Amino acid sequence: DIEMTQSPSSLSASVGDRVTITCRASQSISNYLIWYQQKSGEAPKVLIYATSSLQSGVPPRFSGSGSGTDFTLTISTLQPEDFATYYCQQSYGTPFTFGPGTKVDIK
Amino acid sequence: QVQLQESGPGLVKPSQTLSLTCTVSGGSISSGGYYWSWIRQPAGKGLEWIARIYTSGTTYYNPSLRSRATISLDTSRNQFSLTLSFVTAADTAVYYCARDAMGPWGQGTLVIVSS
Repeated sequence: DIEMTQSPSSLSASVGDRVTITCRASQSISNYLIWYQQKSGEAPKVLIYATSSLQSGVPPRFSGSGSGTDFTLTISTLQPEDFATYYCQQSYGTPFTFGPGTKVDIK
Repeated sequence: QVQLQESGPGLVKPSQTLSLTCTVSGGSISSGGYYWSWIRQPAGKGLEWIARIYTSGTTYYNPSLRSRATISLDTSRNQFSLTLSFVTAADTAVYYCARDAMGPWGQGTLVIVSS
């Protein structure tokens, strides 16, 4: 199985901050990387697919980059509604696997 | 706009079979060349991918479930389903159905395995 890791596991930030979350795959996954946002009690929501394609309706302050094994999710200017847990997922090969998540909370 | 909704019993006894259905609305499950998946999340934990099915009926499974899972498609009802046999407490989780890659996901349904 392809193992996905994320760093940091949690972070505290203020509204207006720039936030960067890193995801690493145990082998190359080309650009088959999806980022999700999950708020407490809700289903995960796709933010970015294919590494850098913004899902319809997602604010442009979210962006993704990377290729191969190293990927990044950036929130350019953190908003109050962005406090949540973020997961990456590889869709390169089954079984699909997820990172352990990065919890973003209020400083 | 495509929407997904999970349904099924919220309580299953150990060693029995869990059966869930995902109803797709706002679009045909058999058009567009999409894959449809089941994912689960134990309380307070991360996400585990279970299985996916293509509109042709081709299936893929997570080997960690040791062949207990079966995913199927019912195009006449615009639904796809999951069965998980010989359940244990470790199968207690919120189960989500989803359209692969771009979503969306259903809201999730909590399944508790307990006698």
